[in-house]
Amino acid sequence: QKEVEQNSGPLSVPEGAIASLNCTYSDRGSQSFFWYRQYSGKSPELIMFIYSNGDKEDGRFTAQLNKASQYVSLLIRDSQPSDSATYLCAVIGKNNNDMRFGAGTRLTVKP
Amino acid sequence: DAGITQSPRYKITETGRQVTLMCHQTWSHSYMFWYRQDLGHGLRLIYYSAAADITDKGEVPDGYVVSRSKTENFPLTLESATRSQTSVYFCASSDEGGGHTDTQYFGPGTRLTVL
Repeated sequence: QKEVEQNSGPLSVPEGAIASLNCTYSDRGSQSFFWYRQYSGKSPELIMFIYSNGDKEDGRFTAQLNKASQYVSLLIRDSQPSDSATYLCAVIGKNNNDMRFGAGTRLTVKP
Repeated sequence: DAGITQSPRYKITETGRQVTLMCHQTWSHSYMFWYRQDLGHGLRLIYYSAAADITDKGEVPDGYVVSRSKTENFPLTLESATRSQTSVYFCASSDEGGGHTDTQYFGPGTRLTVL
């Protein structure tokens, strides 16, 4: 079992819809959770992080964390074609100094 | 220019050759990281460094060597390149290195092909 699992997609949504990206992790002691966006041929860039159970909102993005279910998600409201990218979930474990990434979910927003 | 840079951006080499990928950051971040990105595997940590002269292994360190004599530089060396090391390599830096709010800033990447 991979430490961080994501559905590889592709996930396709129409412009203006809500895109829902999911991630599960295996280390129950994981402390912090991050969502990165990576455009094709570019480097990853941080969208947001979350470390408490519940929801965290930042503009059109909402991260949701459920530690009991070992599940973290990212919702993108009012999706735009410019949101088309690969979204990487990353986790820092309790005893780790290093970050473990999922393989990413490719999102396409169709005009 | 401020930021994090990598060189070369593209490299083609042959099996058995030594290759060094360079990474330079101007933020004076304490932590620096090397990742490789392969289709289906996402980003995997090779090595990281918490400060000058302090390095530690990540998830996939075999076949790689790092050093950090200065805070701003973190070179990655493939001592004897193999085809399985064909990948895109990203360097990253951060101020917290694993803290709750750790933000890693990534360089533009080096695409390495080993023939």
